[in-house]
This record gives sequence, C-alpha cells and structure tokens, in this order.
Amino acid sequence: RKEVEQDPGPFNVPEGATVAFNCTYSNSASQSFFWYRQDCRKEPKLLMSVYSSGNEDGRFTAQLNRASQYISLLIRDSKLSDSATYLCVVAYNFNKFYFGSGTKLNVKP
Amino acid sequence: GAVVSQHPSWVICKSGTSVKIECRSLDFQATTMFWYRQFPKQSLMLMATSNEGSKATYEQGVEKDKFLINHASLTLSTLTVTSAHPEDSSFYICSARGDLGGTSRGYNEQFFGPGTRLTVL
Repeated sequence: RKEVEQDPGPFNVPEGATVAFNCTYSNSASQSFFWYRQDCRKEPKLLMSVYSSGNEDGRFTAQLNRASQYISLLIRDSKLSDSATYLCVVAYNFNKFYFGSGTKLNVKP
Repeated sequence: GAVVSQHPSWVICKSGTSVKIECRSLDFQATTMFWYRQFPKQSLMLMATSNEGSKATYEQGVEKDKFLINHASLTLSTLTVTSAHPEDSSFYICSARGDLGGTSRGYNEQFFGPGTRLTVL
C-alpha cells in the first residue's frame, strides 16, 4: 500500500471555478503535512503547510482530518496560472517525507 | 532566502560511466539533505537522507554502492551515480532542511534544488 495516495486527475476546470483535491495517507503516526506545486519539468515548490486547525492563504485552503487520515486542498477562483501538478506530502519524524504521485490541474480560459 | 542549487542541470553520458551531481544550500546551513528521483509522470521517490558528517540512510531498494552520497559540509551534498545504465535515466532532485536563523521554518520545510536531468545512452 502506498504511503500517500492521490487522484492523478487531470482535473480540467474553467477559469474562476472552485476545485478540490484530496489525499489519503496510511501512516497514522504522520506528523507534518504539506501541499507542494510542481510545474512541468521543474522542482516542487511549497504551496502551504497543513495544520490540524486547517489554514487558508488567499484562494487556497487546506484541511487535515486525522481521524480519516486525509488532507484536502481547495482552490477558489482558479487562474490559468494555477495549472500545475499538486503534490501531497506527508512526513513523520521530520526525516521521512513521502510524496503522493500528484494531481494534475488544467485551468482553461 | 533558502535557495538550493544543483549542478549540472542536465547531463548525457554513456553507459558505464559515473556521474556526480552536486547540491548546495546557498544561503543557509543544511543539516539534512534529501535525494529524490522522479521518473516521467511519477511521484518523487526518496532515495536517501544524509546528515552532515555522517553516512547517508538509504531507502529500501536503493543500492548504496551504486548511488554514493557524500555530505561533507553543511552546504554541500553530492550524489554519484556509478556505472550508470539507461534505466538510471531520470530526474534527480535534492532538497535541504536546516537553520534559517531565528525561525523554525527551515526545519519543517524542505527546499528543493532545480533538479538534474540524467540521460544515459
């Protein structure tokens, strides 16, 4: 069983749409959770950390559900520039980071 | 702040040769560096974790004699792919964690290098 599982997509949405991604993780001892964004043939860049209380950064909202072992990312008012692959990352002991395979988002005009 | 560089950005080599990839933290001290490999349309796979001054910890299935990792200083780690074969062709990415000075951010977050695309003919 994979440590982190994501729907690969692609999610094709029009500009201005709201889109949500989910990610599940298998290790209940996981301590830290992140969403990264990766553009084609580039390195991942941190989008946001995910806290137990949830967090919001502009159009992006992340939620953590420890009981069900999943995290989510909500993007409101999608922009063309949001088109990318979104990687769910789960870590424990701060030295074990596991990446999901990514969810591809295509925002169309 | 928190910039990580990798060199070279791409390399093409013949089968059987060795290739060294450098990962540097430019503006902070990286106590831990991670090496990942990413095949097309797949996720990043952690290969090994290295702490400055100690031996790297390899993930299951990664041959430590084939992928030599050296983390000799707080700003430099190297990955050497020995006797490279076509199946080693991949995108190799390093990341670093460490002391950003006055913040815990560096210890909770990984900063990625731009990656090295290796093609073995």
